[in-house]
This record gives sequence, C-alpha cells and structure tokens, in this order.
Amino acid sequence: QQQVKQSPQSLIVQKGGISIINCAYENTAFDYFPWYQQFPGKGPALLIAIRPDVSEKKEGRFTISFNKSAKQFSLHIMDSQPGDSATYFCAASRGDDKIIFGKGTRLHILP
Amino acid sequence: ETGVTQSPTHLIKTRGQQVTLRCSSQSGHNTVSWYQQALGQGPQFIFQYYREEENGRGNFPPRFSGLQFPNYSSELNVNALELDDSALYLCASSRGYTGELFFGEGSRLTVL
Repeated sequence: QQQVKQSPQSLIVQKGGISIINCAYENTAFDYFPWYQQFPGKGPALLIAIRPDVSEKKEGRFTISFNKSAKQFSLHIMDSQPGDSATYFCAASRGDDKIIFGKGTRLHILP
Repeated sequence: ETGVTQSPTHLIKTRGQQVTLRCSSQSGHNTVSWYQQALGQGPQFIFQYYREEENGRGNFPPRFSGLQFPNYSSELNVNALELDDSALYLCASSRGYTGELFFGEGSRLTVL
C-alpha cells in the first residue's frame, strides 16, 4: 500500500520556468509534510515542510501548497534554475520522525 | 557540527552472506532511522531507534536488525542476503518528534 503518491515521475522545465510536483496521501493521521531534495550520490536533504494547519508555505523560490480536504499537496519551484536539477521526494509523517516517502520526481532544468 | 556519517560507502556481497552497516548520528541527535532506497525509488523506512530501543519498524523481515549504542551511533545488520537487498542504505538522525531527518550519504550494497 503506497501511502504517498507522487507525480510526475520525471519533469523537464526551461530555465526560468515554474516546476510543479504533486503529491497525494491517504492517512489522515499524517500531520507533517516535508519535501526532500536529493542530488546524485548524496542523501536526501530537507527542502521545505508544512503542517496541515496552513494552506501555503513559501521559502525563497520554493512554495508548498496544501489542500487538506483533498489530501493533496504540491511543490512549486519558481524561476527554476539548472542547479535545481535533482530528484524531489514528497513525504509525510505523524510527527514521530517515521517519514514515509513518495517514489520521487526527477527534475531537469534546461539551461 | 559533524553531520551524519556512514560506513562503508560501497560494498559487494554474495547471496547468503551477512552485512553490517554503520552510522554515526549528528551531534545532539538521539534518534536514528534507517531507510532502504532501491534504484529509482524513494527511501523505504526499515526501522527507527530511540535511546537504544527499537521504536517502530517498517515492512521488512526479521533478518534486518539493528542496534543503537549509548553514543547514539547505530548499526544495521542484514542476514542471509538476497539479490533484492541490493540498494542504497540511508541512515538519518533527528532530535526525535521534530519531523526533520538529517541523512548521511548512504552505503551502497550490491548483492551478487
């Protein structure tokens, strides 16, 4: 049973464009929704996270939009840069650090 | 502040063998979680250790076992290796109940 479903599997965006990655979850007990970024040969690193009491969180060029009723959340990367090329994972947990990850989205930003 | 370190970085084993992977947690972190990441997939939760006790386990068989030591470092042991165990094994530390995991760079295991 996949508790966090992520799409698309891969994404190509022009430099300066907006990258959008979507996730859906099933367990309504989840109360923490992070996004992790992973570069080849490295472990995942926390990018931005949101809790369900807010509908949006913005940090620099990265924004999470959260829809609690639809059990969906998304990552928007504004003004996408070649350095943003990486694999992005949405995730969810019940605040106990046992984080469940999606399958990932390979993002490639064209220069 | 020293980050999460894992060893070895790469290793090759044959089917049926046993392997031990090691992890040193980040300073001040008392919780260690282990994940298995198959090629092209997201990390899968194996188990978590908090204050030397197993504190939750994912859908992995008992041949996957672990330890946490008083200094919060940890080991992952896998017995009777199978070909499907080939993966990147990630260790992550945290302060517990914060939601933020700090990952090491992983140990890449190849089972032949």
